[in-house]
Amino acid sequence: AQKVTQAQTEISVVEKEDVTLDCVYETRDTTYYLFWYKQPPSGELVFLIRRNSFDEQNEISGRYSWNFQKSTSSFNFTITASQVVDSAVYFCALRRPSRNQFYFGTGTSLTVIP
Amino acid sequence: GAVVSQHPSRVICKSGTSVKIECRSLDFQATTMFWYRQFPKQSLMLMATSNEGSKATYEQGVEKDKFLINHASLTLSTLTVTSAHPEDSSFYICSAPGLAGGSEQLFGPGTRLTVL
Repeated sequence: AQKVTQAQTEISVVEKEDVTLDCVYETRDTTYYLFWYKQPPSGELVFLIRRNSFDEQNEISGRYSWNFQKSTSSFNFTITASQVVDSAVYFCALRRPSRNQFYFGTGTSLTVIP
Repeated sequence: GAVVSQHPSRVICKSGTSVKIECRSLDFQATTMFWYRQFPKQSLMLMATSNEGSKATYEQGVEKDKFLINHASLTLSTLTVTSAHPEDSSFYICSAPGLAGGSEQLFGPGTRLTVL
């Protein structure tokens, strides 16, 4: 069975602080994809990153970085020098290659305080 | 570019009425679309997979007669909430595989349904 766990339900940080959002997943598939999405108050999901299970290289995109570790089944997301605009709910998700179905975590609500 | 649109973005209806939500793929065709439901402050839960020209596949626990899905064309899937009740109030999101065909998934902006 597929499962994505985001243990942090709510996080508050002061602007310019760094923050890491945790994501742990479960799957028996050897091939799979991992995603992070941002959901601002408007509700629309904003794609942030996709990672396939064979690519464990960490990635950095501006203030965003991702740490993928298969050994611990984790795919953590770090925002450096957080900004108020980063306030949103962030979802980690897993997708099996055999289907287009996504398994979403419960989300982490991030509030950046000015 | 390829996007997924939903209409309406927000709907308020009285209990007992039926509501139709449209999901359209713009600038691409989608033989498969997905419908998700999101309760306030909760995650997205897959409700059903909409297949063009055939019956939808519903996830366990989702009432087929309550949530009618029709995928009549390669660019349109509709979700009809029949005899809506307050507990059906939720945020409904559709998605479709992107043009890349692989892991890309395009999500619609969502429809917020409020049943009074």
